Amino acid sequence: DAGITQSPRHKVTETGTPVTLRCHQTENHRYMYWYRQDPGHGLRLIHYSYGVKDTDKGEVSDGYSVSRSKTEDFLLTLESATSSQTSVYFCAISDPEALNTEAFFGQGTRLTVV
Amino acid sequence: QKEVEQDPGPLSVPEGAIVSLNCTYSNSAFQYFMWYRQYSRKGPELLMYTYSSGNKEDGRFTAQVDKSSKYISLFIRDSQPSDSATYLCAMSGWNNNDMRFGAGTRLTVKP
Repeated sequence: DAGITQSPRHKVTETGTPVTLRCHQTENHRYMYWYRQDPGHGLRLIHYSYGVKDTDKGEVSDGYSVSRSKTEDFLLTLESATSSQTSVYFCAISDPEALNTEAFFGQGTRLTVV
Repeated sequence: QKEVEQDPGPLSVPEGAIVSLNCTYSNSAFQYFMWYRQYSRKGPELLMYTYSSGNKEDGRFTAQVDKSSKYISLFIRDSQPSDSATYLCAMSGWNNNDMRFGAGTRLTVKP
């Protein structure tokens, strides 16, 4: 398995509070991604990073921010959590220099906003 | 209309059956086509990967891509209970930042 660790694995938080999810990789891959997975929608990209301090928005970025200060860590912050952000969040990594564009996924973080 | 359409199922088959999973898409810029398998409460893992049109076989699994019809398929031969999972199709252009996923099809293979 690719070395990707997400923390926490489960979290319950109250509406309006900030929440930070962490993704840590040991593969030294340049690209890192945050997805959310909801029934009927599959996986949707929130933000991605193509290097330290280099990030960009995905298709569902509103209400989320990210930071990447080290190659191995990619943080996702919900600035003020809402019930619509209740979801399972997956971090993924990929190596653009590889022969294919395979993305390796972490185990997920189940977030509930009450 | 979603860029990638996938029937969510659920699909239930007896052990040993041939399973056919399909996705359609609308973006002609997609070049890479993938199938991910996701067990309950786990992250997706890559099952099959193809570039452009054609077939690719790996053991009991065959992936087909028809770019002219914007249609991809995954066939599972001699299905096993261990194949019970959600199967997600995914596709991208030249970069993973434009990867799009289908909603996933939940498959159950009954002994």
